[in-house]
This record gives sequence, C-alpha cells and structure tokens, in this order.
Amino acid sequence: RKEVEQDPGPFNVPEGATVAFNCTYSNSASQSFFWYRQDCRKEPKLLMSVYSSGNEDGRFTAQLNRASQYISLLIRDSKLSDSATYLCVVNLVRDNYGQNFVFGPGTRLSVLP
Amino acid sequence: DVKVTQSSRYLVKRTGEKVFLECVQDMDHENMFWYRQDPGLGLRLIYFSYDVKMKEKGDIPEGYSVSREKKERFSLILESASTNQTSMYLCASSPDTSSYNSPLHFGNGTRLTVT
Repeated sequence: RKEVEQDPGPFNVPEGATVAFNCTYSNSASQSFFWYRQDCRKEPKLLMSVYSSGNEDGRFTAQLNRASQYISLLIRDSKLSDSATYLCVVNLVRDNYGQNFVFGPGTRLSVLP
Repeated sequence: DVKVTQSSRYLVKRTGEKVFLECVQDMDHENMFWYRQDPGLGLRLIYFSYDVKMKEKGDIPEGYSVSREKKERFSLILESASTNQTSMYLCASSPDTSSYNSPLHFGNGTRLTVT
C-alpha cells in the first residue's frame, strides 16, 4: 500500500462548481498535513496546512480525520485559475532529527469555462 | 517570504558529465531537501540534510551525492550523468524539527536533460 494515496483524477468541472479531493495516509504517527498546488512545469506551492479542527481559507476548506487517516480539500465556486494538480503531503518527524515529507501522486483539476 | 533559489532553470548535459545543481535558501532553515519529479512517479526524495555537513539518503540516492558546507546552501551532484537522470529537480527547505507544522518551501526547479 502506498504511504499517501489520492483520488486518481483528472477532475473536469465547470466554473462555479464545488469539487472535493480525498487523500488517505498509512502511517498513523504522521504529525502534520498539507495541501500543495502545482501548475504545469512549475514547483509545488503551499495551498494550506491542515489542522485537526479543520480550517478554511476563502473558497478552500481542509479537513483532517486522524482516526480514519483521511484528509480532504473542498474547493467552492471554482475558478479557471484553480486548474492545477493538487498534492496531498504528510509529514512524519524522524526520530531525533529531520522531517519526512511524503507526497501523494496528485489529483489533476481542470476547471472549464 | 521564504526564498529558495535554484541556480538554473534548464540544463542540458552529456552522458558521463559531472553535474552540479545548486540551491540556496535565505530563511536560516535547518532542513534542506532534494527531490526529483517524473511523470507518473510523483516527487521522490533523493537526499536531505538537517544540519551543516550532515546528510541522509532519501528513497532514490543512487547515482547522486550532496554537499552542505554552509547552512544556506545545499548542492546536488550527479557524479556521472546518465539519460535516466533526465528529470525535474526540486530543492526545498523547512525549519527545524521542533516546528513540525512548518511546510516545505520549494525552489522553482531545474529541468535537467541528459543526452
């Protein structure tokens, strides 16, 4: 089983739609969680961190369920500019040093006019 | 804002050449990472460093080495470039272990082609 799995995609949605991405992780000791977006041929950029209580940033809402080892990202009122690949990232602090960021394979979103 | 700078956006090298990819960060971060990204394989960790002169192997270290002589600089070295090392290389940094909620900050990537 892969450490971090995501919806395979691609998702093609019309402008204004609400779209949800799912992510599961296998290591229950994982400590922090993030969503990144990556545009074609560019570097990943942090979209938002994911907190246990859930958090919202404008049209974006992230949820974490530690018991089910599940993370979600909801995008409301999607815009053309939201078209990108969304990466789920899980961080596990290594014993005594360093960090271990594990990336999901990504889910591609295309928002259509 | 954190700035992670990779020295080249595009590189073309010949098989067998020694290749240096340089990365500099300006936020005094302890941790630095080198990833490669390939279609269908996602991001894979090559090496990381949690302190000056310290380095640890990631998931795919074969054919690579690294150097971290100064805190702000982390270099990736391809000892003898091969065509299967054609890829997008991404450098990233993050603060120390106690800040485990801090995310990775990426450079803008180096697209390396080995012919």
